Amino acid sequence: DAKTTQPPSMDCAEGRAANLPCNHSTISGNEYVYWYRQIHSQGPQYIIHGLKNNETNEMASLIITEDRKSSTLILPHATLRDTAVYYCIVRALYNTDKLIFGTGTRLQVFP
Amino acid sequence: NAGVTQTPKFQVLKTGQSMTLQCAQDMNHNSMYWYRQDPGMGLRLIYYSASEGTTDKGEVPNGYNVSRLNKREFSLRLESAAPSQTSVYFCASSSEPMGYGYTFGSGTRLTVV
Repeated sequence: DAKTTQPPSMDCAEGRAANLPCNHSTISGNEYVYWYRQIHSQGPQYIIHGLKNNETNEMASLIITEDRKSSTLILPHATLRDTAVYYCIVRALYNTDKLIFGTGTRLQVFP
Repeated sequence: NAGVTQTPKFQVLKTGQSMTLQCAQDMNHNSMYWYRQDPGMGLRLIYYSASEGTTDKGEVPNGYNVSRLNKREFSLRLESAAPSQTSVYFCASSSEPMGYGYTFGSGTRLTVV
């Protein structure tokens, strides 16, 4: 699986959009970009995933650049409950089916 | 649906003791996984089972054994616990195709003294 690079930490004001970047310059054509988050000491929670088109669900939007070498997770209106560690992971959909987590970005949402 | 259930939630062991961490999922997922997370670190894969009857090593398998008892249950055993195994252990499951990713349990917090 390709490796990803994320900033170790970010801050965001409550109510503003949080934009979390991820670089994955060695991504292969069949690899998806997945985002998970871990709130405090809970188990990680799936947020969204995509291949090359932008994706949106009730939690977030995922913007993938045309060359697929980077992506941005957008939380449109961050709340205090969004304070968490966010993990960007790339893997092929039908690979050996295991996610490899990096160290992620610690997002702190402040009032 | 309960999702992924892990037991126990907390455990303290003495060095050299053995124990089994239990994990069960009710989503009819084929694949199951055990991760550990040390303080301030990301998750590291210990073992996984792509389907019932198969298990494979992950990044950090030493000191652990696993059993895929059936499609629902995947247990992790520490035969002789060491202080280095103090960690939070997460079980997860997933289906193929992975349209919605992994589902994680709430974790087992293990301390080895």
